[in-house]
Amino acid sequence: DQQVKQNSPSLSVQEGRISILNCDYTNSMFDYFLWYKKYPAEGPTFLISISSIKDKNEDGRFTVFLNKSAKHLSLHIVPSQPGDSAVYFCAALAGGTSYGKLTFGQGTILTVHP
Amino acid sequence: KAGVTQTPRYLIKTRGQQVTLSCSPISGHRSVSWYQQTPGQGLQFLFEYFSETQRNKGNFPGRFSGRQFSNSRSEMNVSTLELGDSALYLCASSAGGQGNTEAFFGQGTRLTVV
Repeated sequence: DQQVKQNSPSLSVQEGRISILNCDYTNSMFDYFLWYKKYPAEGPTFLISISSIKDKNEDGRFTVFLNKSAKHLSLHIVPSQPGDSAVYFCAALAGGTSYGKLTFGQGTILTVHP
Repeated sequence: KAGVTQTPRYLIKTRGQQVTLSCSPISGHRSVSWYQQTPGQGLQFLFEYFSETQRNKGNFPGRFSGRQFSNSRSEMNVSTLELGDSALYLCASSAGGQGNTEAFFGQGTRLTVV
């Protein structure tokens, strides 16, 4: 049962344009969401998070949007840079019962072309 | 501030052997979680420790075990290794107190079982 889904295995974007990565979830208990960037054979790097009491959070070039009614979140990267090319994972926590258990999506490979 | 440190980075073991992996969390963090990443299954939660107590456990067989020491360092042990245990093992560190907080990952240990 895939509780967090990233339906796009890959995304290709031109440098300078916007990258939009999407994530859907099914578990209504999830109330905190995180995005990570990952290179092969390395650990994920934390990018940005959002609590379910918000619908938007920004940090520099990264903005995460949360639509609770649709159980959908998205990560916007503006402007995209070649160094952003990596695998992006969304992850979710279920409040006080998670105890460190992040549930991850399958990841989206982002390629930013110069 | 030092990040999450995992040792060793690479390991090759033979089927039937056992292995111990180590994780030193970020200073001040009391929660350590372990994950297994494989191409087919993605990032899967193994277990989480907080103040030397296991608070949460994923769906892995009993061959996978862990512990946490008083200084918050954690070890993960896999006994009777199988070929399918070949994976990238990641640990994540977080404050772990009340509420949701970001988790920061180490570089991982690449385990190859032959």
